[in-house]
Amino acid sequence: GQNIDQPTEMTATEGAIVQINCTYQTSGFNGLFWYQQHAGEAPTFLSYNVLDGLEEKGRFSSFLSRSKGYSYLLLKELQMKDSASYLCAVTTDSWGKLQFGAGTQVVVTP
Amino acid sequence: DADVTQTPRNRITKTGKRIMLECSQTKGHDRMYWYRQDPGLGLRLIYYSFDVKDINKGEISDGYSVSRQAQAKFSLSLESAIPNQTALYFCATSQTGQGARGGITDTQYFGPGTRLTVL
Repeated sequence: GQNIDQPTEMTATEGAIVQINCTYQTSGFNGLFWYQQHAGEAPTFLSYNVLDGLEEKGRFSSFLSRSKGYSYLLLKELQMKDSASYLCAVTTDSWGKLQFGAGTQVVVTP
Repeated sequence: DADVTQTPRNRITKTGKRIMLECSQTKGHDRMYWYRQDPGLGLRLIYYSFDVKDINKGEISDGYSVSRQAQAKFSLSLESAIPNQTALYFCATSQTGQGARGGITDTQYFGPGTRLTVL
């Protein structure tokens, strides 16, 4: 079966750095996505990794190791508006269907 | 205007009623999806469609049906609603494409969601 694991909740202070880990065990792999979702709102796309390494996009970076089935999302210079759920999702075939983890709730405190 | 819209945004209904949730998009994408989200379970795929003549079941299609009326419209129906179908429902769209880094980029863009309560 497909298994995508991420921590349930993380708390960090405004201005700090938080790293959200995601491990996956899937029957195939064709890319990994990170989405941000504020409470009651739609998920919004943050990043996509298909090759090993780090992708940087402003305050957010995402890393992938395919051999380890592992990714992380790094949020730097945390702001209060970064309080949200962060969803890790894997696409396992060429059709692009996504398998989602349960999400990590990040709480940013003053 | 939003690229992906869903109607209604909120709905309360009773067990046994037929419900239709609608999704429209102006992004010109060929692929459309329906998900439900439950606390602690993440997003789960109900149905997906890669073009107007293509409909596929996702991991939790039982109790649901869909219709792709046009490239821009994808509806989800609950023929006889039951309480465990109470959830947040999202429509999403994507465009078939080839990623510059060798992968298949299929970034999905989500609608605002429909909160459905079945009593």
